[in-house]
Amino acid sequence: AQSVTQPDIHITVSEGASLELRCNYSYGATPYLFWYVQSPGQGLQLLLKYFSGDTLVQGIKGFEAEFKRSQSSFNLRKPSVHWSDAAEYFCAVGAGFQKLVFGTGTRLLVSP
Amino acid sequence: AAGVIQSPRHLIKEKRETATLKCYPIPRHDTVYWYQQGPGQDPQFLISFYEKMQSDKGSIPDRFSAQQFSDYHSELNMSSLELGDSALYFCASSLTPPLGQGRFSPLHFGNGTRLTVT
Repeated sequence: AQSVTQPDIHITVSEGASLELRCNYSYGATPYLFWYVQSPGQGLQLLLKYFSGDTLVQGIKGFEAEFKRSQSSFNLRKPSVHWSDAAEYFCAVGAGFQKLVFGTGTRLLVSP
Repeated sequence: AAGVIQSPRHLIKEKRETATLKCYPIPRHDTVYWYQQGPGQDPQFLISFYEKMQSDKGSIPDRFSAQQFSDYHSELNMSSLELGDSALYFCASSLTPPLGQGRFSPLHFGNGTRLTVT
């Protein structure tokens, strides 16, 4: 069965520092991978997606993610974090036809 | 750009009451999805509709039902509410890719309806 693991429940990063959020997936075929961000009281906003091709994908708000098939990973990165990036981040895999399976999320805290 | 619209934003109901949540997809999107997110949990897929027909079903209780109307908006009906139904309910929409082409159309989510059952 398809699954997504986000091993870090909480991460605290200083403003201006770099960020990497980890995501590992389990899926038999070539995966469709997504990162969504959820601010408090808000919906899920799509940051970026990977379907095929270049393994480094660029998203909105300065985020990028790298697909590594050998490690079954799709880690999210940002070179310099802003206080407004504090939110919950969900990695998801497209399973079957148009169904998303989410990880449990990583809450990002940004310290001054 | 137009987004997915959900109403109401907040809803408070008592046990055993019924609730109806509404979702208006992005224009020209033909598929809607409903997800439930409990406190501190990841979103769980409930049900989806493509061209007004149920296309997939997840962990939706029998007390819940949903439909998609001719204008593509969708409603999630919840009866005999229980305390455990308190959650954030998301609707998402997408333009579904043609079958057999191996593509996945990203889901666009609304801001959700927060249901509190007391």
